[in-house]
Amino acid sequence: AQRVTQPEKLLSVFKGAPVELKCNYSYSGSPELFWYVQYSRQRLQLLLRHISRESIKGFTADLNKGETSFHLKKPFAQEEDSAMYYCALIGADGLTFGKGTHLIIQP
Amino acid sequence: GAGVSQSPRYKVAKRGQDVALRCDPISGHVSLFWYQQALGQGPEFLTYFQNEAQLDKSGLPSDRFFAERPEGSVSTLKIQRTQQEDSAVYLCASSYTELISYNEQFFGPGTRLTVL
Repeated sequence: AQRVTQPEKLLSVFKGAPVELKCNYSYSGSPELFWYVQYSRQRLQLLLRHISRESIKGFTADLNKGETSFHLKKPFAQEEDSAMYYCALIGADGLTFGKGTHLIIQP
Repeated sequence: GAGVSQSPRYKVAKRGQDVALRCDPISGHVSLFWYQQALGQGPEFLTYFQNEAQLDKSGLPSDRFFAERPEGSVSTLKIQRTQQEDSAVYLCASSYTELISYNEQFFGPGTRLTVL
């Protein structure tokens, strides 16, 4: 069975500080990993996917198959980054989400 | 349309009542998904349609849950004899092609179901 683990329910950092949201996965094949974000009062939306190797809103995520991780990083947090972040994996069982991390950026 | 829409946005039901939740996907999107999101949890997969065909219903928690997409566009998720544990936000998502991999799923705003 495929599984996504986000160990932090809540992460609070100050504006301008680096951010790292942790995501670990369990999957026997080659995974496809995503980060979804939900800003306050908005719908869930795709932030980035590992195959694109892109930076969106200053965020990056690198797939580490050895550590089975896909951590989301940003060097300098901004207040508008405050949101719920969900790591997700597509595998044989479809799209599986982690439980989410609530990121709070303090001014 | 501007995006995936869902109705109603909020539904309160008495235990034992039947409810029907509607999803209007983005026009032309082939794939449609339903998810259940309990409080403090991530979305959990319920079922998947490719056009009108329900290809995967492995996530439906019981036979009280039923989904349909008869004309390959609008979908309805029906819950019979609702129980308190059915209280959750029900999310609908659609994507452009039949390929689940690589394709972004566009989510609706969700329907918050509260069963008293």
